Amino acid sequence: SQTIHQWPATLVQPVGSPLSLECTVEGTSNPNLYWYRQAAGRGLQLLFYSVGIGQISSEVPQNLSASRPQDRQFILSSKKLLLSDSGFYLCAWRVGATNEKLFFGSGTQLSVL
Amino acid sequence: AQKVTQAQTEISVVEKEDVTLDCVYETRDTTYYLFWYKQPPSGELVFLIRRNSFDEQNEISGRYSWNFQKSTSSFNFTITASQVVDSAVYFCALRLYNTDKLIFGTGTRLQVFP
Repeated sequence: SQTIHQWPATLVQPVGSPLSLECTVEGTSNPNLYWYRQAAGRGLQLLFYSVGIGQISSEVPQNLSASRPQDRQFILSSKKLLLSDSGFYLCAWRVGATNEKLFFGSGTQLSVL
Repeated sequence: AQKVTQAQTEISVVEKEDVTLDCVYETRDTTYYLFWYKQPPSGELVFLIRRNSFDEQNEISGRYSWNFQKSTSSFNFTITASQVVDSAVYFCALRLYNTDKLIFGTGTRLQVFP
């Protein structure tokens, strides 16, 4: 069966520090991968998605970047965190036709202080 | 532009009550998909249902039911005989055909008290 791993579960970082959140998927190949952010009271915002290795689409201009070095690995990064980067980050994956389900990881709570 | 509105920020009910979570969407496209997800306290989102725009048949799954009405652009979710384990944040979402972007509402926090 397919599983998605996301770590760390919580992270506290000072402003200006770098960030690296990792997400890996097991049990499937060539998934579409997504990074979402959930800010308090604002629902889920799509940040990046990837349909293949090295292919990244950015939905919102911001202080973050994403990379997909391997088929089932998706990394969210920042060179210098801002206070506004605080939030709950969720990785998700989907395989198959456009109308397939989207499966989410357990999320990372990032607090930038 | 596409948009999903969940006007109810928070709902509190007592166990065994029925509760309906509202979802209104906006799109000019004729082909799209609608979703409901549950986010329990653990954080990860759990898929509940997907509906395509051509299928307005209402769906029932156990205590859960969904009412899709294109005329009012609504996709409401009803939990019958609510239980404490139903306490979670529920998200409604929209995706256009042939896109990868899932547009979420702001969520409704449901608290079910014993």
